[in-house]
Amino acid sequence: GAVVSQHPSWVICKSGTSVKIECRSLDFQATTMFWYRQFPKQSLMLMATSNEGSKATYEQGVEKDKFLINHASLTLSTLTVTSAHPEDSSFYICSALQTRRSGTQYFGPGTRLLVL
Amino acid sequence: QKEVEQNSGPLSVPEGAIASLNCTYSDRVSQSFFWYRQYSGKSPELIMSIYSNGDKEDGRFTAQLNKASQYVSLLIRDSQPSDSATYLCAVSINNNDMRFGAGTRLTVKP
Repeated sequence: GAVVSQHPSWVICKSGTSVKIECRSLDFQATTMFWYRQFPKQSLMLMATSNEGSKATYEQGVEKDKFLINHASLTLSTLTVTSAHPEDSSFYICSALQTRRSGTQYFGPGTRLLVL
Repeated sequence: QKEVEQNSGPLSVPEGAIASLNCTYSDRVSQSFFWYRQYSGKSPELIMSIYSNGDKEDGRFTAQLNKASQYVSLLIRDSQPSDSATYLCAVSINNNDMRFGAGTRLTVKP
């Protein structure tokens, strides 16, 4: 149990385009999901907390208009990188909160984004 | 002071040895504690969770929690080269908030 999927697993796009990443909890409902970004050889950086049915909470320094988050159902959250630029190239990882297991976060496999 | 601190390593141990990973946290009201393993290029995967003082064993892994001293550790017995990864300590104050350490990179040499 506690499986989280992400789609796509990797994406290459041209500068200026928008990219949508989906995060799904497959076998449990997640009222809260998290979006992280990780650059090579660096630690996880929390970008935002996504709550079902409400606006996401963004960490300091993360542009909410650039990284659009939608958590429309208890099993799906999406992150849209708008007008992507090469500096947005990174490894984006989502996690879903399994509240019945004392707040354990289960991670998706990640999405590797390369902006040319 | 960082909320969750780990020695970044690298920690190198020979195959078959015990690897000891340590983590300290700053918030005394922290309730839940987790260890994740992250292989290079992959996302983190949960290894252990611990909620009360003492030891918790799962196979070759033992998590130790000492709330009075605000530290949590992970012991890996009979370390294998496949254990080489970055180990992330995470602390949750309530069910909706988890803070991660920067991770300790472990290398197990054959």
